Amino acid sequence: GAGVSQTPSNKVTEKGKYVELRCDPISGHTALYWYRQSLGQGPEFLIYFQGTGAADDSGLPNDRFFAVRPEGSVSTLKIQRTERGDSAVYLCASSLGGVHTEAFFGQGTRLTVV
Amino acid sequence: SQQGEEDPQALSIQEGENATMNCSYKTSINNLQWYRQNSGRGLVHLILIRSNEREKHSGRLRVTLDTSKKSSSLLITASRAADTASYFCATVSNSGNTPLVFGKGTRLSVIA
Repeated sequence: GAGVSQTPSNKVTEKGKYVELRCDPISGHTALYWYRQSLGQGPEFLIYFQGTGAADDSGLPNDRFFAVRPEGSVSTLKIQRTERGDSAVYLCASSLGGVHTEAFFGQGTRLTVV
Repeated sequence: SQQGEEDPQALSIQEGENATMNCSYKTSINNLQWYRQNSGRGLVHLILIRSNEREKHSGRLRVTLDTSKKSSSLLITASRAADTASYFCATVSNSGNTPLVFGKGTRLSVIA
């Protein structure tokens, strides 16, 4: 596709469950970013991949959060033992080069933990 | 943590007027980017200005950067109702590989 694609667009899960959020970046983009956005706030950085490796995962809030990008393209953000405080819109972005280039964002996944 | 601070937090103007939003940041930057967001979902990249640039234009958008004051402004001229959205500034640090750090945004309402 032409843009960054995120699935699902909405996810409702029960507290304590495991969820996976998927991001398909723009073809050829080597850098991929995950952000989380709560209502009324700006996006908060979670993790950044350059190729297959996590170049910076300093934004992951705790060890319940994990992300992979095994082939350097699609990425999956995994959240274990979800909590109500994890409810937010999870945004994925990709860029052609590294952090110094323009990032293109997907439409996000709205996660609601009930 | 959020580095950029947009000002004002909310702005309401009449169609046809100009809208100015400001952003202040704390650390040395490689570049600063402005994004727009409708309805709390995907962010649309508007403009990127590098630390050695002072002003950039794109259509009805004008961005300035003052690295001595660690601030930037986004001007939207001749605003339209369709410009109603949240606008965020985001900075890329000069050190290492730190990705975009966003502010809390300015909520712009353009009244027809």
